[in-house]
Amino acid sequence: QQPVQSPQAVILREGEDAVINCSSSKALYSVHWYRQKHGEAPVFLMILLKGGEQKGHEKISASFNEKKQQSSLYLTASQLSYSGTYFCGTDIHTGGFKTIFGAGTRLFVKA
Amino acid sequence: DVKVTQSSRYLVKRTGEKVFLECVQDMDHENMFWYRQDPGLGLRLIYFSYDVKMKEKGDIPEGYSVSREKKERFSLILESASTNQTSMYLCASSIRTTGRNTEAFFGQGTRLTVV
Repeated sequence: QQPVQSPQAVILREGEDAVINCSSSKALYSVHWYRQKHGEAPVFLMILLKGGEQKGHEKISASFNEKKQQSSLYLTASQLSYSGTYFCGTDIHTGGFKTIFGAGTRLFVKA
Repeated sequence: DVKVTQSSRYLVKRTGEKVFLECVQDMDHENMFWYRQDPGLGLRLIYFSYDVKMKEKGDIPEGYSVSREKKERFSLILESASTNQTSMYLCASSIRTTGRNTEAFFGQGTRLTVV
């Protein structure tokens, strides 16, 4: 049931751009994005609620295509502080809504 | 300041022991989750609860049980610890709204080693 993230890892130089993709075999009603720095807890970046929605957080933005059941996270002009593991998550309805995460994308930004 | 607190950062237990991992949140959230984090596998859901005494299995519930007697506390129980349960365990909480959950707040994690 886990959403599938790609790529698994990416190495960037400071100032370069990156795209992280998240797709699901199940219908997506919402997509969460989180970043986890080494040794720390994951931290919320943004949530997208409907198809076509785009959001931004500093130079990090995301889009959500509900028809294609996928979301993409865009990191623009990357900074050293962007290094970490990025997770996408989706809410699946059972009795409540369980939030299921992908395997993560490791991003390393070097000077 | 919102807070999710896990009782231990590091824990070492012996094979066969019954292990309790405790998580407390102070935000009055309906949802609480237990995830397991292993390299290359991401955050895998073990159990979650959307209300007091309500619990549902996640993707990897085998060998685990949970308890939620009060809204703020969610306990993960390893009935008989095994070495393949050595891992980082993360607790999280969020608000349940119509059609989805809100952002999840995570605890700092418990690194459990079973020897």
